[in-house]
Amino acid sequence: ETGVTQTPRHLVMGMTNKKSLKCEQHLGHNAMYWYKQSAKKPLELMFVYSLEERVENNSVPSRFSPECPNSSHLFLHLHTLQPEDSALYLCASSQDTGLGPFGELFFGEGSRLTVL
Amino acid sequence: AQSVSQHNHHVILSEAASLELGCNYSYGGTVNLFWYVQYPGQHLQLLLKYFSGDPLVKGIKGFEAEFIKSKFSFNLRKPSVQWSDTAEYFCAVNSGGYQKVTFGTGTKLQVIP
Repeated sequence: ETGVTQTPRHLVMGMTNKKSLKCEQHLGHNAMYWYKQSAKKPLELMFVYSLEERVENNSVPSRFSPECPNSSHLFLHLHTLQPEDSALYLCASSQDTGLGPFGELFFGEGSRLTVL
Repeated sequence: AQSVSQHNHHVILSEAASLELGCNYSYGGTVNLFWYVQYPGQHLQLLLKYFSGDPLVKGIKGFEAEFIKSKFSFNLRKPSVQWSDTAEYFCAVNSGGYQKVTFGTGTKLQVIP
């Protein structure tokens, strides 16, 4: 049990589909993240939300659209994806006090996305 | 932009061998440093972290890491590995004023019984 739950764990979609990834954190944290994990590449930060406001958008294509309705939930809406978007998408959370050093990230188990 | 280099992509060791995984980063200012581990089929989790103070940091399961500022390095060590240490290890650095962490490409460690 990680405290960060991601659904679905596996998703196969066509290039014309619209789907969403969901993340829920049960840790009372105030910051949430989407990362992309591809083979032999560093984890790529996609989006950061702090106190439900987007504070980082790492030049992610518009076919990825995040939504953070509250501090416990984070969505990644997907539409007209490309095969190269196939990857493991990780959600993470952290507690940002804004006062001291950045703390650790708590990760979910990821959603494995395959785009056909 | 900040970058993190992990020199070894795949390491194979026998049980009881000593381990050292290299990590170098590019940023010259104040940094927070982390090692994360991903066991097979599990989520990424924190192994140890360095914010300030003693540059030799001890983490869980007998792991330690040494921050050498002059070398921009934060190498992970364990004197005697076990089969259960088989996992992928990621070095990460935070140099931003807000929550932004840069990860290395990871090192897959395979420990042979």
